[in-house]
Amino acid sequence: KAGVTQTPRYLIKTRGQQVTLSCSPISGHRSVSWYQQTPGQGLQFLFEYFSETQRNKGNFPGRFSGRQFSNSRSEMNVSTLELGDSALYLCASSLRGQGSSYEQYFGPGTRLTVT
Amino acid sequence: DQQVKQNSPSLSVQEGRISILNCDYTNSMFDYFLWYKKYPAEGPTFLISISSIKDKNEDGRFTVFLNKSAKHLSLHIVPSQPGDSAVYFCAAGLGSQGNLIFGKGTKLSVKP
Repeated sequence: KAGVTQTPRYLIKTRGQQVTLSCSPISGHRSVSWYQQTPGQGLQFLFEYFSETQRNKGNFPGRFSGRQFSNSRSEMNVSTLELGDSALYLCASSLRGQGSSYEQYFGPGTRLTVT
Repeated sequence: DQQVKQNSPSLSVQEGRISILNCDYTNSMFDYFLWYKKYPAEGPTFLISISSIKDKNEDGRFTVFLNKSAKHLSLHIVPSQPGDSAVYFCAAGLGSQGNLIFGKGTKLSVKP
């Protein structure tokens, strides 16, 4: 079974621009979560989607948004990029909500650099 | 306020010996705990998990121990191999919420 895939792997954007990142979960997984990893803050939760609905949200400004499609693929968008948004963005999928399993499986991440 | 803490930023172990990675948490409501291994520029790889109703879970060379009264969990790797060298994260979660709360990680170096 294929793992979680994320595109693109690397991205360089200019301050003020916006960016869209994509995530395809493991086949059969309907829960997709997004995390931001930075050297200072570590891994921090952004939001979770399940069956096209945002089910949980972390403590990030409204510039960070996401959505999920009927095939469970998810996108996250960051508008008006700031230098501090430079980070590794990780997507994880799980069977949460489909049984008792709670393990999250991560993709390789998208490295975003804002200049 | 860090709810999940890994107080040792690094650990060095000889090949073949036991590696013990520790993690403390503050929220007694956490339902489950997980350990992940991470290489630079890659996503975390799931290793092993444990439900809060258990005190031990074993999978091959990896064993996780949970001490609820002390709010402490540990990951034992026996025997350690050079390929185990990576950053290890512990994470905790609540069944009602989809987010994992991660520690800051411990960098394990296994020397041949």
